[in-house]
Amino acid sequence: NAGVIQTPRHKVTGKGQEATLWCEPISGHSAVFWYRQTIVQGLEFLTYFRNQAPIDDSGMPKERFSAQMPNQSHSTLKIQSTQPQDSAVYLCASSDTGGAEQFFGPGTRLTVL
Amino acid sequence: AQSVTQPDARVTVSEGASLQLRCKYSYSGTPYLFWYVQYPRQGLQLLLKYYSGDPVVQGVNGFEAEFSKSNSSFHLRKASVHWSDSAVYFCVLSYGSSGNKLIFGIGTLLSVKP
Repeated sequence: NAGVIQTPRHKVTGKGQEATLWCEPISGHSAVFWYRQTIVQGLEFLTYFRNQAPIDDSGMPKERFSAQMPNQSHSTLKIQSTQPQDSAVYLCASSDTGGAEQFFGPGTRLTVL
Repeated sequence: AQSVTQPDARVTVSEGASLQLRCKYSYSGTPYLFWYVQYPRQGLQLLLKYYSGDPVVQGVNGFEAEFSKSNSSFHLRKASVHWSDSAVYFCVLSYGSSGNKLIFGIGTLLSVKP
């Protein structure tokens, strides 16, 4: 079991460019979660899929951020027109119960110059 | 509203000493509580969890935590720390109808002096 895989581990973009982050959940897990981690805000929930369907996106910024789960083996988080304040570590987690115990990937560190 | 408070941003202890990291939560329902650890440049790893039953739960690497409903607390303890325990520790509350929403404390940076 390779655990949750996130790619790339590091991404640097220029202001205004697009960033796409990838997450491969643990095989057989039905739920995928995205979080953002910054020094100032700590860990914040962004969005959640269960069985590939979007369930809760209450933490997603209303503009420029979108997430998809086209199949059970991967999810993407896309940030359009990146801004310096988007710089953070983006964590993906998966769960086999859709609930409390979540397994986290190593994160993608996004730096927007 | 739900919240998790870790009052100590940073704790420094000597190797071999005992440890307690504090966590207070606020939630009107039945809480599911976790402690996760984050080593440098790594993702979060689950240390232990509390759902119900015995208020003292055992975790990996000699960690344990005690749930107190009266104090709304879930403190993490270890009898004797090792330098490799140096990391950031997060207290986490799970809530929602499916328990799928997690609220993280700000984290406590533990530094173990050799």
